[in-house]
Amino acid sequence: QVQLQQSGPGLVEPSQTLSVTCAISGDSVSNKNAAWNWIRQSPSRGLEWLGRTYYRSKWYNDYAASVKGRITINADTSKNQFSLQLNSVTPEDTAVYYCAGAGVGATPVYWGQGTLVTVSS
Amino acid sequence: EIVLTQSPGTLSLSPGERATLSCRASQSVSSSYVAWYQQKPAQAPRLLIYGASSRATGIPDRFSGSGSGTDFTLTISRLEPEDFAVYYCQQYSSSPPWTFGQGTKVEIK
Repeated sequence: QVQLQQSGPGLVEPSQTLSVTCAISGDSVSNKNAAWNWIRQSPSRGLEWLGRTYYRSKWYNDYAASVKGRITINADTSKNQFSLQLNSVTPEDTAVYYCAGAGVGATPVYWGQGTLVTVSS
Repeated sequence: EIVLTQSPGTLSLSPGERATLSCRASQSVSSSYVAWYQQKPAQAPRLLIYGASSRATGIPDRFSGSGSGTDFTLTISRLEPEDFAVYYCQQYSSSPPWTFGQGTKVEIK
């Protein structure tokens, strides 16, 4: 059974960098049949897919246009985890951030528990 | 980007009744790439249906999905007390971005 465990600060100051990590158990971040996603949810924006990372002999990333230029998703194979970094945050980035795992051509089945990140001074 | 519009916003029904939820896409979506999720307060979304009509592992057969092109439907044949929640449709075509509908809340009448 795949489990995703998130960690990261709940409060970030405006203009700073938001960072959340997702540790994977029961699967490998390097699994060539998987993709590892970040999705956020807020009352104003609903559920919003932010991006993904996946390994197919080399690492690939896809990012949503709404956050492109501010987002980085990295995999750490030594710790079997992946992370989200979102730069230059504003209060509009306040949301619950979820990590989620999906198979090739599939929608996420496995979700982390969610991390509420508030952007405020 | 494909925009998904769900209707109604809220559905007020009694246990045992049938629920029919609609999801309309701004452009045609391959049926292979439409999913439905259930979300309860303070929980992550739970996958119910993928590929428009296939139930995810462990999902009861009172949940069914249908549709093609731009119109998709989630049906709950007989509502159980644990089915009262918010439901989201999603498209996950091979080329991102993936998008979600705004949700339909199924509440107890």
